[in-house]
Amino acid sequence: DAGVIQSPRHEVTEMGQEVTLRCKPISGHNSLFWYRQTMMRGLELLIYFNNNVPIDDSGMPEDRFSAKMPNASFSTLKIQPSEPRDSAVYFCASSSQGLDQPQHFGDGTRLSIL
Amino acid sequence: GDSVTQMEGPVTLSEEAFLTINCTYTATGYPSLFWYVQYPGEGLQLLLKATKADDKGSNKGFEATYRKETTSFHLEKGSVQVSDSAVYFCALTSGGSNYKLTFGKGTLLTVNP
Repeated sequence: DAGVIQSPRHEVTEMGQEVTLRCKPISGHNSLFWYRQTMMRGLELLIYFNNNVPIDDSGMPEDRFSAKMPNASFSTLKIQPSEPRDSAVYFCASSSQGLDQPQHFGDGTRLSIL
Repeated sequence: GDSVTQMEGPVTLSEEAFLTINCTYTATGYPSLFWYVQYPGEGLQLLLKATKADDKGSNKGFEATYRKETTSFHLEKGSVQVSDSAVYFCALTSGGSNYKLTFGKGTLLTVNP
């Protein structure tokens, strides 16, 4: 079975540019998560969707960040405008409904903002 | 709030050595506890979990026991292999937010042949 698919795997862009990260969750999973991983702050949950609806976006750092889930098989995380401090690895994860269902992670997008 | 504290790495061992990575937590209610592993260049994978006190999670030779009295969930393996080299994360979910994983900072394990 295909796992969580993220694209691109690497992105290098200049400060001020718009960045769009993409995620395809595992088919049948109805929960989707976006995380950011940095050396300084570790893993941080940015936003959580359930059945395509944003449930918890308290981890979104600021208004420059936005996330959408137009359907059950696709989600985007957008940063506009990007800044050097946004450089990190961004992970998407999905899980099925139910208590303690494990989250399945994609391989991440390594983002570098110059 | 909820938090997870794990031993700082890096941890370097020789093949076939015994591994312990300590993890302690603070949480409201009765958390569920997890160990995730991250291999180089990859996302996190669930290694094992325990959902109530005294439960033992196990997978691939790794074990961890949910100790409510000491609020701990230490990861152990009797004989590590080079292929176990990775970053290990302790995590929990608790209260009404059964979806929200709180992670420790991770422990880098390097196993030398």
